[in-house]
Amino acid sequence: KAGVTQTPRYLIKTRGQQVTLSCSPISGHRSVSWYQQTPGQGLQFLFEYFSETQRNKGNFPGRFSGRQFSNSRSEMNVSTLELGDSALYLCASGDNTMNTEAFFGQGTRLTVV
Amino acid sequence: AQSVTQPDIHITVSEGASLELRCNYSYGATPYLFWYVQSPGQGLQLLLKYFSGDTLVQGIKGFEAEFKRSQSSFNLRKPSVHWSDAAEYFCAVGTPSNYQLIWGAGTKLIIKP
Repeated sequence: KAGVTQTPRYLIKTRGQQVTLSCSPISGHRSVSWYQQTPGQGLQFLFEYFSETQRNKGNFPGRFSGRQFSNSRSEMNVSTLELGDSALYLCASGDNTMNTEAFFGQGTRLTVV
Repeated sequence: AQSVTQPDIHITVSEGASLELRCNYSYGATPYLFWYVQSPGQGLQLLLKYFSGDTLVQGIKGFEAEFKRSQSSFNLRKPSVHWSDAAEYFCAVGTPSNYQLIWGAGTKLIIKP
């Protein structure tokens, strides 16, 4: 069974640009969550989707958005990039309930210059 | 508000020595508790999880953790560490009602030869 796939692995963008990150969950998983990881703030929850519906959103500005498609693949978008958006963005997939394992991808390393 | 505290930012142990990583949480109900490990530049791998029942849980790679409700703790242990255990370890609390994980700041484990 293939794991969670995130593309691209690395990305360099300029301030003010926008970026789209992609996540393909494990086959059969319908829940996809996104997390931002930085040295200063650690791991922070961005949002969670299930069956194309956003069920929860973390405390991030509106520049951060996401969506999920009918095949459970998910994308997150960051508009008007700021230097502080430089981070490792991690995607996790899982079953509907929290009492099961969340499987993480290797992440997308975004650098904003 | 839910929170997770990992009081040790770094821990150094000699290869073959025992290990205990501390985790304390704040959560109103019975928590779902997790330990994840992250190698440099990689995603997160689940070591073990606690939902209910036996308070001593066994995980992969020889790790175990004990849930102590009275102390709000979920400490990770390993009787004998290997050089390959060098990584960063994260404790997390699952919030089923919000479909998200709340993370500790992580503990970086350094192995002395």
